[in-house]
Amino acid sequence: SYVLTQPPSVSVAPGQTARITCGGNNIGSKSVHWYQQKPGQAPVLVVYDDSDRPSGIPERFSGSNSGNTATLTISRVEAGDEADYYCQVWDSSSDHFGTGTKVTVL
Amino acid sequence: QVQLQESGPGLVKPSGTLSLTCAVSGGSISSSNWWSWVRQPPGKGLEWIGEIYHSGSTNYNPSLKSRVTISVDKSKNQFSLKLSSVTAADTAVYYCARAVVVVVAATRWFDPWGQGTLVTVSS
Repeated sequence: SYVLTQPPSVSVAPGQTARITCGGNNIGSKSVHWYQQKPGQAPVLVVYDDSDRPSGIPERFSGSNSGNTATLTISRVEAGDEADYYCQVWDSSSDHFGTGTKVTVL
Repeated sequence: QVQLQESGPGLVKPSGTLSLTCAVSGGSISSSNWWSWVRQPPGKGLEWIGEIYHSGSTNYNPSLKSRVTISVDKSKNQFSLKLSSVTAADTAVYYCARAVVVVVAATRWFDPWGQGTLVTVSS
């Protein structure tokens, strides 16, 4: 099984930058996707294929992936960005999700 | 745009079988996508259960494979999940989602998702 490790929590002040990491063995050789999940709601895709954004997702959301770490960056953080964030990778014919990171806006 | 809606019993007895259906609207289940189930125990993370293609081909999470069956009904534009021999550990919100596959890049992502349905395993 392919393990994806995320920090349990990240705290950031409004207007600042939040960086959420997703660690996995040689993850840089795979495509990573990111989801935002607000309380009581279904996950929403915010970044796919390492760094592409679906339509309707603000440019403030960006992604990168290299080596053993993928990163979701949220610039100019707003109160509405407070949520859980999950990374996802397809490996060995199975889908794998990260452990999840709770982003708190101070 | 494509929308998905889960339905099924919210309470299942231990050792019983959990059965859910996902209705697809705004698009055809026979499109070039896979159709997946993902679950989330209360307060925990996401777990992929499995998927189906309109041809009937399936892939399952190895940890659940012995208990899971996913099927498709093209005439009703829906797909279904059955999970047998359930225990309290199977209590979760169950989501259906469309898996967008990029074969040449060997990758896929989930978009959109259904709203989810809570299934509780209890006597």
